[in-house]
Amino acid sequence: RKEVEQDPGPFNVPEGATVAFNCTYSNSASQSFFWYRQDCRKEPKLLMSVYSSGNEDGRFTAQLNRASQYISLLIRDSKLSDSATYLCVVSNTDKLIFGTGTRLQVFP
Amino acid sequence: EPEVTQTPSHQVTQMGQEVILRCVPISNHLYFYWYRQILGQKVEFLVSFYNNEISEKSEIFDDQFSVERPDGSNFTLKIRSTKLEDSAMYFCASSEVGTSMDEQFFGPGTRLTVL
Repeated sequence: RKEVEQDPGPFNVPEGATVAFNCTYSNSASQSFFWYRQDCRKEPKLLMSVYSSGNEDGRFTAQLNRASQYISLLIRDSKLSDSATYLCVVSNTDKLIFGTGTRLQVFP
Repeated sequence: EPEVTQTPSHQVTQMGQEVILRCVPISNHLYFYWYRQILGQKVEFLVSFYNNEISEKSEIFDDQFSVERPDGSNFTLKIRSTKLEDSAMYFCASSEVGTSMDEQFFGPGTRLTVL
């Protein structure tokens, strides 16, 4: 079983749509959870950390379910600039374990 | 805003040659990392480094790889005898504190092409 699994997509959505990404992880000892964003041929950039209580940052909402080992990211009111690959990332030491990413394409 | 820098942006080398990839982490950060991403694949952890020692390394980081902090600012990754399968984007990252919750800041990467 992969350490971090994501649907690779692509998700093609119109501007203004709401889109949700899911991720599962295999190591129940994982302590920290993140969503990173990666643009084509660029470095990963932290989008948001994910907490058990759920957290929101503007149009982005992240949820964590430790019992199911499941992480989600919801993007509301999609913008063209949201087009990127979204990486689910877990950690239980100082190393980050990345999923393969879910590609999002927002069209006009 | 402080950022991690990497040089060169693109390195082309012949199989069997040695390469050194360079990184300048954010100045007050104490923890340093190398990751790689083969084209079309996920980002993979290679090594973490703190207090002039390797903290953790992955199975990928074999005897052909080494890291060094030769001075107070640079952090390098050396591949002694490159193989075709070493072709990838190599990202350096740094963090202020080496806990799992601490944000790691990534450099723009060095694209290594082994011919």
